[in-house]
Amino acid sequence: QQQVKQSPQSLIVQKGGIPIINCAYENTAFDYFPWYQQFPGKGPALLIAIRPDVSEKKEGRFTISFNKSAKQFSLHIMDSQPGDSATYFCAASSGGNTPLVFGKGTRLSVIA
Amino acid sequence: DTEVTQTPKHLVMGMTNKKSLKCEQHMGHRAMYWYKQKAKKPPELMFVYSYEKLSINESVPSRFSPECPNSSLLNLHLHALQPEDSALYLCASAWVGLGEKLFFGSGTQLSVL
Repeated sequence: QQQVKQSPQSLIVQKGGIPIINCAYENTAFDYFPWYQQFPGKGPALLIAIRPDVSEKKEGRFTISFNKSAKQFSLHIMDSQPGDSATYFCAASSGGNTPLVFGKGTRLSVIA
Repeated sequence: DTEVTQTPKHLVMGMTNKKSLKCEQHMGHRAMYWYKQKAKKPPELMFVYSYEKLSINESVPSRFSPECPNSSLLNLHLHALQPEDSALYLCASAWVGLGEKLFFGSGTQLSVL
């Protein structure tokens, strides 16, 4: 019930491609869905987040698509660059002080 | 200042040593967290402090002892660790009531020999 299932585990795309990372959840109490980006040797950093009242959110080259009925959300990276190579974690929260539930992560490599 | 600062960046310790990890933030956040992260895994929550009081302890072994001396500082005291405790230890902070928006430090890479 508390899990967030993330796929794929790893992803390799060419520069300029659009990698897509998918997450699914079961707990309908979740109401906040962030994505964190982590570079080697660094802590995760909040990239973009969405709440269930919208189906899509864009920030620069990053887009979250959200499907409430399917209980799925995904991250799209437009015009991907080698500098986007990192591990991406989706997460979910039921708000307030409830700890985040993280997906297992996706290692993205963008090759020139 | 939007940084969470952790020291040291790297630490090697023997199983009989006592050491401490330190974390500092000056964003006015009153919720502070310790996470453990193994290679290629997501962060695992260890402890949460809210207004300098321990609010969540995720059944962490007593060889890990957290301390929150004031609203800006968080320590993790380590004693008699095991090799399997080797990991990246991450500190994070957030506004109370907004625990979903975490600000992470860069972590301390701990190796237990």
